[in-house]
Formats: sequence, structure tokens, C-alpha cells
Amino acid sequence: AQKITQTQPGMFVQEKEAVTLDCTYDTSDQSYGLFWYKQPSSGEMIFLIYQGSYDEQNATEGRYSLNFQKARKSANLVISASQLGDSAMYFCAMREAKYSGGGADGLTFGKGTHLIIQP
Amino acid sequence: ETGVTQTPRHLVMGMTNKKSLKCEQHLGHNAMYWYKQSAKKPLELMFVYNFKEQTENNSVPSRFSPECPNSSHLFLHLHTLQPEDSALYLCASSRNSGGPGDTQYFGPGTRLTVL
Repeated sequence: AQKITQTQPGMFVQEKEAVTLDCTYDTSDQSYGLFWYKQPSSGEMIFLIYQGSYDEQNATEGRYSLNFQKARKSANLVISASQLGDSAMYFCAMREAKYSGGGADGLTFGKGTHLIIQP
Repeated sequence: ETGVTQTPRHLVMGMTNKKSLKCEQHLGHNAMYWYKQSAKKPLELMFVYNFKEQTENNSVPSRFSPECPNSSHLFLHLHTLQPEDSALYLCASSRNSGGPGDTQYFGPGTRLTVL
């Protein structure tokens, strides 16, 4: 079973509109982290926002916010006032606490959503 | 330079060649990672290094050989690759703060084509 599911392979949005990118996850851990990354055509993965499983408030970073619904295991990314430069692939990722006491763990990624902002 | 750098950015190699990918991080981080991004597939974790020690090998074929001489440098040595190994190889680093919020920062990637 997929651990990260992004159900929108592609989205077209008009410039200046808000956009919501969906992400659901599957884990049995109590402590985990959820991340969103942006990947322009150049290839680099750019970190956007983080939400911890114990965080009670939804994370926000500038125009980005994360709509975290723990009971539904969803962590949707909301981009307000979209811009042409927002056109890119967007990936949702999760870090599970595999090792007690911490340790470097890899991220599990979804398949991504290709967002295209139209003028 | 700042952040995470990777060289070369593009590499074309034959199946019998030996080549190496290099990653360098200037963030003072303690953990480094290799990921593979193939077309139409999610990013796949390959290796994790924590304080120069390999802590995870995600069932990667032996034709990929990682090396981490120090916390700032990570290499991926390639030999006798297959055409299906063509992909974008991304390096990342993190502070390894021990919590779930240990954010990974990525380099620009090496686009590898195996002929």
C-alpha cells in the first residue's frame, strides 16, 4: 500500500487564485513529520513547509499553508494568490520515526502533482 | 557556495563505464542521502549516511556504491549500469536533529543517461 497518496496528477489554475494540492498518508507511528517540496523543471527539490504530527496549529510559510487533518490522515498544501512562478511539480513527503531516540531517516514521497498556473 | 551542490549536472555513460557522482553540502549538516527519481515514479531513497556511517541501504544493487568520507561530502560510484538506471539522482542533507522535523535540503540533481 502507498504511504503517501497524491490523487491529482495535474492541475491547471488561473493566476491569483488559491490552489489546494491533496495529500493523504498512511502510518502507524504516533510521531511523524509531513513535508511539501516544490520541483521546478530545473530539477531541484525546494523545501516549502513542514507539519509535525503533534503540532496543533496548521503550519504556514508565507503564501503556503498546510491543512492538517490528523484523523483523516490528510496534509493538503494550500497556495494563496498563485503566481506564474508557482508552476512546478509538488511533492508531499513523510518522515516516520523508525529509530527510537531519533536518527537520520529517509523521506517517503508521493508521486507528485504537476501544477500549471495560467495567466 | 551555499546549500547543497552536485556535480556533474548531466552525465551520459555506457554500460561498461565507471563514473562517480559528487555531492557537497555547505550547511553544517550531519546526515546525507541519495535518492533516485525515475520517470513516473516517486522518489526512491537509496542510501542514508549519519555522521559518515551508512545507516540505510534501501536494497540498492551493488553496481551503485556510495562513499561518505566526511559529513560534507557524499559520492555515488557507478559501474556496469543498466539503461533502466537512467534517472535524476538527488542528494540531500539534514541536520539530524533527532526529531520528525529534521528537514532535508536537496541539491539540483545529476541527470544520468545510460546508453
